[in-house]
Amino acid sequence: AQSVTQLDSHVSVSEGTPVLLRCNYSSSYSPSLFWYVQHPNKGLQLLLKYTSAATLVKGINGFEAEFKKSETSFHLTKPSAHMSDAAEYFCVVSDRGGYNKLIFGAGTRLAVHP
Amino acid sequence: NAGVTQTPKFQVLKTGQSMTLQCAQDMNHNSMYWYRQDPGMGLRLIYYSASEGTTDKGEVPNGYNVSRLNKREFSLRLESAAPSQTSVYFCASSESRGGAETQYFGPGTRLLVL
Repeated sequence: AQSVTQLDSHVSVSEGTPVLLRCNYSSSYSPSLFWYVQHPNKGLQLLLKYTSAATLVKGINGFEAEFKKSETSFHLTKPSAHMSDAAEYFCVVSDRGGYNKLIFGAGTRLAVHP
Repeated sequence: NAGVTQTPKFQVLKTGQSMTLQCAQDMNHNSMYWYRQDPGMGLRLIYYSASEGTTDKGEVPNGYNVSRLNKREFSLRLESAAPSQTSVYFCASSESRGGAETQYFGPGTRLLVL
């Protein structure tokens, strides 16, 4: 069965410094992986997704993630944080063999300080 | 395009009352989903509809019913609300041509059951 573990429930960075949000997954299949972002009182927006093409995936707003099969990880990074990046981030794995079922991690809340 | 819309945005119910959450999408997507979001737990799937005329249970279906009214609309009904159903509810849709696909989320409905 698929599962997702986000290793940090809260991350705090200063504006202009790098961001690292960590995600490990477990999957019986070759997984598809996503990162979604949720700004306060908003719905979820797709940041990026991995579907077995290039292992380094670029997303919107300067974010990227690298799929590492040997480490079963899909960490999200950004070189320089912006105040507008403050939000909750969800790592998600999809069961390709099913009906597009998504399994969500518990989320990481990112705070960005001036 | 409005994408995925949900009504109402907020609702307060007393225990035992019933209500229906409405969801509509204008992207001509085949599949629609209802999730609930609780603190520290990410999103959990309540029900989904792979295509018009079909519905299936997700991870946490107890206490809910759904109706896929047509291709655009997918409603979630609470027949007898309980305090444990206090949550934020998200509707989502996807094309579902096969494989892992991006799901597009609505802005959410905040429900408080007293």
